[in-house]
Amino acid sequence: ETGVTQSPTHLIKTRGQQVTLRCSSQSGHNTVSWYQQALGQGPQFIFQYYREEENGRGNFPPRFSGLQFPNYSSELNVNALELDDSALYLCASSLLAAQGTDTQYFGPGTRLTVL
Amino acid sequence: GENVEQHPSTLSVQEGDSAVIKCTYSDSASNYFPWYKQELGKRPQLIIDIRSNVGEKKDQRIAVTLNKTAKHFSLHITETQPEDSAVYFCAASLFGNEKLTFGTGTRLTIIP
Repeated sequence: ETGVTQSPTHLIKTRGQQVTLRCSSQSGHNTVSWYQQALGQGPQFIFQYYREEENGRGNFPPRFSGLQFPNYSSELNVNALELDDSALYLCASSLLAAQGTDTQYFGPGTRLTVL
Repeated sequence: GENVEQHPSTLSVQEGDSAVIKCTYSDSASNYFPWYKQELGKRPQLIIDIRSNVGEKKDQRIAVTLNKTAKHFSLHITETQPEDSAVYFCAASLFGNEKLTFGTGTRLTIIP
């Protein structure tokens, strides 16, 4: 198992509501990426945070936003929830270092259901 | 942007036989190609990865091959076991810590 944790594990919301999901990165990692995985599909990249700044974004609208804290943990916020936002939300942590590359390790995910 | 195609979408093999899953990618700048295994309700788990300066990598029963010219890479599982049953995803990125573009997944079933 990786050292990446996420909370909550499950969440049920209604359309129009707002949600905040949380991720704690693996010790020694400084980068957090968020992915959305709809049922039966591969994960889709939402955005990545490095040094508390957004460091790349996928094709998701601005109502998907995030934060990274000094301890490298991260939040994903989704406003004005839509039914299609129902998915497994995964965070992945990695180490972004000047001398090379590193692998992304995933957390267990948060299952969001929008009714 | 990068596009990753994965085949087949489902694969059933007899226990002990080999399984092969293939992926193609579109962006020649991609340098990092991981494979993840995802069991039902669980996180994607990295099982093997390969970087563009290597043509093949092996880890016990699992191997990955990369053909950069043709822009495709494959996962090979030998001597399959029931616990190999899962959904397998390939992915591609410039470097390991950047945006991963995933394939659509292969549901592998090992028949006892």
